[in-house]
Amino acid sequence: AQTVTQSQPEMSVQEAETVTLSCTYDTSESDYYLFWYKQPPSRQMILVIRQEAYKQQNATENRFSVNFQKAAKSFSLKISDSQLGDAAMYFCAYSGTYKYIFGTGTRLKVLA
Amino acid sequence: DAGVIQSPRHEVTEMGQEVTLRCKPISGHDYLFWYRQTMMRGLELLIYFNNNVPIDDSGMPEDRFSAKMPNASFSTLKIQPSEPRDSAVYFCASRPTGGSYTFGSGTRLTVV
Repeated sequence: AQTVTQSQPEMSVQEAETVTLSCTYDTSESDYYLFWYKQPPSRQMILVIRQEAYKQQNATENRFSVNFQKAAKSFSLKISDSQLGDAAMYFCAYSGTYKYIFGTGTRLKVLA
Repeated sequence: DAGVIQSPRHEVTEMGQEVTLRCKPISGHDYLFWYRQTMMRGLELLIYFNNNVPIDDSGMPEDRFSAKMPNASFSTLKIQPSEPRDSAVYFCASRPTGGSYTFGSGTRLTVV
């Protein structure tokens, strides 16, 4: 069975600095997708970034980028120029064919 | 597009009562998922549908839980009878084939 592990329950970053959130996963499948979701206090789940496993190039969305290491089964999220609005829970997710499996989340605090 | 619509946003009920949560997926999305989020267990997949047909209900905790999708634009998750340990945030999500999840805003259920 597939598993997703987020080993950092909480992280802090100074406003305008860069922070990296870690995620590892385990799977025997060769074709899959990985995601990062943001959950602010409003509890809405917001897609931050998506990575297809067959693509070697790391996905980027504005200030958000990933470091995808397929052999190591690692998928970290880098947030550059952190803003107060980035404060939230961040969930890493794995998807094979249909359903998503989520990690336990990392709470990100942004310090002014 | 209004996104995935869930109702109610909050529900408080007494133990033993029946609770029905509702979800309207995005038009054209052929997959619908129900998740439960708690502090202890994180995001758990309860059940998912493809083209209105239940595909995997292995995450439904017990017979007190049931889900239906009578048509492509509506799904319900019912708990009967409800218990305090059912208190959680329940999310509905939909996706098109090959696409990413879009989540609803969730229903916070409190059973007293």
